[in-house]
Amino acid sequence: KQEVTQIPAALSVPEGENLVLNCSFTDSAIYNLQWFRQDPGKGLTSLLLIQSSQREQTSGRLNASLDKSSGRSTLYIAASQPGDSATYLCAVRSVGSGNTGKLIFGQGTTLQVKP
Amino acid sequence: EAEVAQSPRYKITEKSQAVAFWCDPISGHATLYWYRQILGQGPELLVQFQDESVVDDSQLPKDRFSAERLKGVDSTLKIQPAELGDSAMYLCASSVTETQYFGPGTRLLVL
Repeated sequence: KQEVTQIPAALSVPEGENLVLNCSFTDSAIYNLQWFRQDPGKGLTSLLLIQSSQREQTSGRLNASLDKSSGRSTLYIAASQPGDSATYLCAVRSVGSGNTGKLIFGQGTTLQVKP
Repeated sequence: EAEVAQSPRYKITEKSQAVAFWCDPISGHATLYWYRQILGQGPELLVQFQDESVVDDSQLPKDRFSAERLKGVDSTLKIQPAELGDSAMYLCASSVTETQYFGPGTRLLVL
């Protein structure tokens, strides 16, 4: 059974700092991994999707890497801003889920960027 | 930009009552998902539709939960009777490719 873990659960950094969020998964047989952002009381916004054949994806100040063999992904945020404050969730689509699009989510890392 | 719509945004009900949530996916998205997110946790899939057909409902508590997507467009998730442990955020998402687009969710509080 696929399990996804995110460490740390919470992180507080000063504005301008570069930071890394971690995600690990137990079963390396995945189709893809996605990073989402969730603002308090709101839905999820997709940030980056990495296919299993890819090593990384970039969007603006965000860079996500994937090491499928070790079951790890990182989300790198450059030059953090107060507007980056949110909960960041990673999710994997496992091969074991068959033809469904079922995503298995981690519990999230809540980021606070202080001005 | 097209968005997934959900209503109501908030719902307070008493245990043993019936509740229903509605979702309208992005136009043209054949796949629709209902997730439940307990506070402090990641979302968990309840049911997935491909057009009007259920693809995966293995995690749906079928004794009290039901979901339908009769015309393959909008969808309704129902709980009857509601229990205290059903208090959570109910999220709807839709997709046409790998990326899932989420709605704002319905926050349910069962008293």
